[in-house]
Amino acid sequence: GAGVSQSPSNKVTEKGKDVELRCDPISGHTALYWYRQSLGQGLEFLIYFQGNSAPDKSGLPSDRFSAERTGGSVSTLTIQRTQQEDSAVYLCASSPPGLGPEKLFFGSGTQLSVL
Amino acid sequence: TQLLEQSPQFLSIQEGENLTVYCNSSSVFSSLQWYRQEPGEGPVLLVTVVTGGEVKKLKRLTFQFGDARKDSSLHITAAQPGDTGLYLCAGDAGGTSYGKLTFGQGTILTVHP
Repeated sequence: GAGVSQSPSNKVTEKGKDVELRCDPISGHTALYWYRQSLGQGLEFLIYFQGNSAPDKSGLPSDRFSAERTGGSVSTLTIQRTQQEDSAVYLCASSPPGLGPEKLFFGSGTQLSVL
Repeated sequence: TQLLEQSPQFLSIQEGENLTVYCNSSSVFSSLQWYRQEPGEGPVLLVTVVTGGEVKKLKRLTFQFGDARKDSSLHITAAQPGDTGLYLCAGDAGGTSYGKLTFGQGTILTVHP
């Protein structure tokens, strides 16, 4: 595709439910990143993938958060037993081979609302 | 933990005025990026600076990276309503923090016609 695609664009869920957020990076991009943007917190790093492996998972806020990437392409961020403080915009980004975080292309994000 | 302090948080100016946004840290970054974000969209990369003292120009936007690679500024000349948006700086510490950008809190710029 032309850009990073994220789905759904909006998700409303009830506290305690699990949610899955999907990210389709730009074709050929080897690195994929997840960030969270919330009011008062700015953009917060969650996790990044180089290929299918995640060298750095330190940004995941709790063990309710997990992410995987398959086939070096699509990634899924899963939040189990959602809490109200999980409400935020979840942004995915990818970068071309060899350029890493100095050249990120972001998707439009998934707005998650936990009621 | 590396922090990027971005200022001002809000900026409301008239068309034609000049402005500067600052991004400061006590940490050294291997590179620093500036992004612009519009409502409902993800951030869009404007520029990446990597060398201390580097100055880059993008039309009416001038970006500077401090000599010690701890701070950066974005200067807009003769602002236009189309410049309205959220401006974010982000630093890459490299090394063991590779892949993990630290973002400033952002500057919301409004340019009135």
